[in-house]
Amino acid sequence: SQKIEQNSEALNIQEGKTATLTCNYTNYSPAYLQWYRQDPGRGPVFLLLIRENEKEKRKERLKVTFDTTLKQSLFHITASQPADSATYLCALGTDSWGKFQFGAGTQVVVTP
Amino acid sequence: DSGVTQTPKHLITATGQRVTLRCSPRSGDLSVYWYQQSLDQGLQFLIQYYNGEERAKGNILERFSAQQFPDLHSELNLSSLELGDSALYFCASSVSNTGELFFGEGSRLTVL
Repeated sequence: SQKIEQNSEALNIQEGKTATLTCNYTNYSPAYLQWYRQDPGRGPVFLLLIRENEKEKRKERLKVTFDTTLKQSLFHITASQPADSATYLCALGTDSWGKFQFGAGTQVVVTP
Repeated sequence: DSGVTQTPKHLITATGQRVTLRCSPRSGDLSVYWYQQSLDQGLQFLIQYYNGEERAKGNILERFSAQQFPDLHSELNLSSLELGDSALYFCASSVSNTGELFFGEGSRLTVL
């Protein structure tokens, strides 16, 4: 069955450092992958989308890579700030009708 | 503000009861998704509608049903409620099947 795996343990990181999160998937051929941020009790907020034919995407301090051979995406937050503390979710989708599935998310805690 | 409106924000009910959750998508978005998020669990895909038609189904229980109306708002009906149905229910909308999702703030259901 299709599986999306993200680090279940919280990532504790010092302000100013780079946080790196992983998203691995199996039994899936996604056309694109998205990353969302979710704060406690709030709805997820879209951050970045990367398509299968793209290796890397950047937006301000965020960077996403997508390796369809390894079936993995890496999400980087550079120069992290306490305001970046949240849970980050990856989601996979296809270009045809189908479930748009999310990983369980990784909590990031940035300390001053 | 994502532009997606969900009502009610909070709902407390008893086992065996039936509730209806309502979602108004962003203006112009034809696709509506429903997700369930239990405590310490990720977003579980329930169902997707596009322009009034069901397009994809996840692990939605038979006690749950949904529909999307001609004005594009959607309702999720939960019946014969059980304690385990207590969760945050999110609605999301997108322009198409492959775009970013805009989430509402969720409806928190508590079944006592």
